[in-house]
Amino acid sequence: AQSVTQLGSHVSVSEGALVLLRCNYSSSVPPYLFWYVQYPNQGLQLLLKYTSAATLVKGINGFEAEFKKSETSFHLTKPSAHMSDAAEYFCAVSKSGGSNYKLTFGKGTLLTVNP
Amino acid sequence: ETGVTQSPTHLIKTRGQQVTLRCSSQSGHNTVSWYQQALGQGPQFIFQYYREEENGRGNFPPRFSGLQFPNYSSELNVNALELDDSALYLCASSWGDRVGYTFGSGTRLTVV
Repeated sequence: AQSVTQLGSHVSVSEGALVLLRCNYSSSVPPYLFWYVQYPNQGLQLLLKYTSAATLVKGINGFEAEFKKSETSFHLTKPSAHMSDAAEYFCAVSKSGGSNYKLTFGKGTLLTVNP
Repeated sequence: ETGVTQSPTHLIKTRGQQVTLRCSSQSGHNTVSWYQQALGQGPQFIFQYYREEENGRGNFPPRFSGLQFPNYSSELNVNALELDDSALYLCASSWGDRVGYTFGSGTRLTVV
């Protein structure tokens, strides 16, 4: 079975500060890992994904994440927060390979950005 | 290219009723998955359809059922609605075993 733990249900940063959202996963097989963002009353937008290529993954809107197998982590970072980054962020894991890419999501982290 | 579209956007139903939610997959995508997102929670996998066949199911009772049509659009049907079925229902499409889904904006279902 696979699972995701997102540490911190709510993270608050100042505009221009570093954003760090934490995600730890559990998987019995090599995982694929994802970060999604959800703005109010909207669906999920893919920020970035890890699929066993480079361990440092760059995504949209200046976000990046690093896959650390030894720590079973896939933390999301952005050097400088912008007001438009305020949203809910979800980390997700799926099994690598095969045709059934069921995603298992964490409970989400709400990011607020203060002016 | 068009994205994933879901209808309706909002719906209110009474406990015990039945509901059908619809999803048009992104152009070129042949796999559709449905997720339930309760308030304050992450999405939970309901099931996936690939080439009109169910291709995996999460921990949801049989009153949750689905269909995929030849044009790859899909329906989610829920019978005997319960209050706990109130949630945002998300549809996501992808191309076969290529990694990465495109999500729709969801249908907000309220059961009263």
